[in-house]
Amino acid sequence: EAGVTQSPTHLIKTRGQQATLRCSPISGHTSVYWYQQALGLGLQFLLWYDEGEERNRGNFPPRFSGRQFPNYSSELNVNALELEDSALYLCASRPGTGYEQYFGPGTRLTVT
Amino acid sequence: AQTVTQSQPEMSVQEAETVTLSCTYDTSESNYYLFWYKQPPSRQMILVIRQEAYKQQNATENRFSVNFQKAAKSFSLKISDSQLGDTAMYFCASANAGNNRKLIWGLGTSLAVNP
Repeated sequence: EAGVTQSPTHLIKTRGQQATLRCSPISGHTSVYWYQQALGLGLQFLLWYDEGEERNRGNFPPRFSGRQFPNYSSELNVNALELEDSALYLCASRPGTGYEQYFGPGTRLTVT
Repeated sequence: AQTVTQSQPEMSVQEAETVTLSCTYDTSESNYYLFWYKQPPSRQMILVIRQEAYKQQNATENRFSVNFQKAAKSFSLKISDSQLGDTAMYFCASANAGNNRKLIWGLGTSLAVNP
């Protein structure tokens, strides 16, 4: 069974640009979560999508947005990039009836 | 509000020895789930072990076991026969049963296994 996949692995952008990060969940998983992990810090919850709908949002500005597609894959968009957006962005998926989350390898976003 | 606290920012252990990582949590729910995740230097987050609050028996996965003390709201992770590959950041997390299954995370414990 394939795990959670994320693309790209690395992304380098300049301040003010937009970044798009992609995530494909494990087959059969309907929920997708996005987290931000700055260097040396814990996970900060960003967004939760389930069945195509945004279910919950962390304490992040509106320039962080996303969507979930009919095949349950998801996209995270970050507009007007700032230097402090540089971090590892982790995507996780969860089956509809489960509680544990399974993580992808992450996308490392660097804003210069 | 639901919280998870890991009071040990850093720990170290000699190879082949046993180490215990601490975690306490706070929730008003009667049914919930607890997890330990491992994040090695590769940054890939890996589920190590899970515990369902309504089960009294402590979960075990090979060299990893938990000491779940429900009344004390404590959920420690014991790693036996530590290996160099166990070097990682370890995160404790909890999730309430029900429709809102968001994980609440601790800040992590950095474990170094020394040869």
